Amino acid sequence: DAGVTQSPTHLIKTRGQQVTLRCSPKSGHDTVSWYQQALGQGPQFIFQYYEEEERQRGNFPDRFSGHQFPNYSSELNVNALLLGDSALYLCASSFGVAGGETQYFGPGTRLLVL
Amino acid sequence: AQTVTQSQPEMSVQEAETVTLSCTYDTSESNYYLFWYKQPPSRQMILVIRQEAYKQQNATENRFSVNFQKAAKSFSLKISDSQLGDTAMYFCAFMKPLFGNEKLTFGTGTRLTIIP
Repeated sequence: DAGVTQSPTHLIKTRGQQVTLRCSPKSGHDTVSWYQQALGQGPQFIFQYYEEEERQRGNFPDRFSGHQFPNYSSELNVNALLLGDSALYLCASSFGVAGGETQYFGPGTRLLVL
Repeated sequence: AQTVTQSQPEMSVQEAETVTLSCTYDTSESNYYLFWYKQPPSRQMILVIRQEAYKQQNATENRFSVNFQKAAKSFSLKISDSQLGDTAMYFCAFMKPLFGNEKLTFGTGTRLTIIP
């Protein structure tokens, strides 16, 4: 049973560029959440997708956008990159909407903005 | 808004010893979920244990157990017979179980080192 996968593993961009990160959820999961983890910090919630719609959003600017596809995979897009966007980006998947579902994380994408 | 506090930035213990990591949280909710996640140097976040607030019984998973004190809003993790593979960052996380609000709120983490 494949777990959550993310691509790429590492990425280097320059300020002002745009980046797309990808996530495939764990088999059977239909909900994808994205988190940003700055160095030495706990993850911060960016947004969550369910049924191809953004269901909940954290305190992140509109430069951060996402998408969920019919197969439940998801993309995170960041426009106009800033140095402060350098972080580990984690994708987590879960199943259902009953509440309290455990989220399972992927290995992350390390983004460095120069 | 909920907050999660982990007051121990770093801890170290000898292999085979028992260690307890502390976590406190602030919420006005009565029903919620609490989690401990482990993040080894390989960086993949792994679920260690989960606690449902409406259950009074403390959750256990093999060598891992929690001490959940709802009134005190405390959720500590005990690792028994610690092993070298337990070396990692440990994050405490809170979830309010409401449709459309399934986000995890994390603490800042505790770096645990198991010494051979």
